[in-house]
Amino acid sequence: DAGITQSPRHKVTETGTPVTLRCHQTENHRYMYWYRQDPGHGLRLIHYSYGVKDTDKGEVSDGYSVSRSKTEDFLLTLESATSSQTSVYFCAISASRPRHTGELFFGEGSRLTVL
Amino acid sequence: GQQLNQSPQSMFIQEGEDVSMNCTSSSIFNTWLWYKQDPGEGPVLLIALYKAGELTSNGRLTAQFGITRKDSFLNISASIPSDVGIYFCAGQLTGNAGNMLTFGGGTRLMVKP
Repeated sequence: DAGITQSPRHKVTETGTPVTLRCHQTENHRYMYWYRQDPGHGLRLIHYSYGVKDTDKGEVSDGYSVSRSKTEDFLLTLESATSSQTSVYFCAISASRPRHTGELFFGEGSRLTVL
Repeated sequence: GQQLNQSPQSMFIQEGEDVSMNCTSSSIFNTWLWYKQDPGEGPVLLIALYKAGELTSNGRLTAQFGITRKDSFLNISASIPSDVGIYFCAGQLTGNAGNMLTFGGGTRLMVKP
């Protein structure tokens, strides 16, 4: 199994509070991603990183920010959580082998509930 | 943005039956991938396809990369209870920033013993 750890695995918070989700990898992979999964929407990309301090927006980035200060850690922050951000969040990593960058390894997910 | 239409959305089949699901896109991809998600877990890669027309098998699973590069299908033969889960197709156009994938909405498979 790929060494990916997400924390926390479960969190309940209130509207307006800040939340940070952490993804830690031990594979030394270049690419890291944050997805959210909601019924009927599959997996949607929030932000991604292609190296330390190199990040970019995905499909549904509004209300989220990310940081990557080390290869192994990718943080997702909700500055002021809203109920629409209730979801299951997945971190994923991939190596940079040419043509194989779509082969993602996913973490176990973080379930966030915003009341 | 790009969208992948995955069908069916759900299937309820008898153990031993064969299963077929597909994914179509309005845009071309140069990589198609199929992932499976078990309940409470993250998705796991099943099959990756890199060439139009390519047919690849992984045990009881067979997937094909459509010749138009806009579709792909996944077949599961002789289904068993552990095949239960959500199957996602994903397309990738390599060379885009971050090599981002576009995922389909998923096919939920339920198998009756």
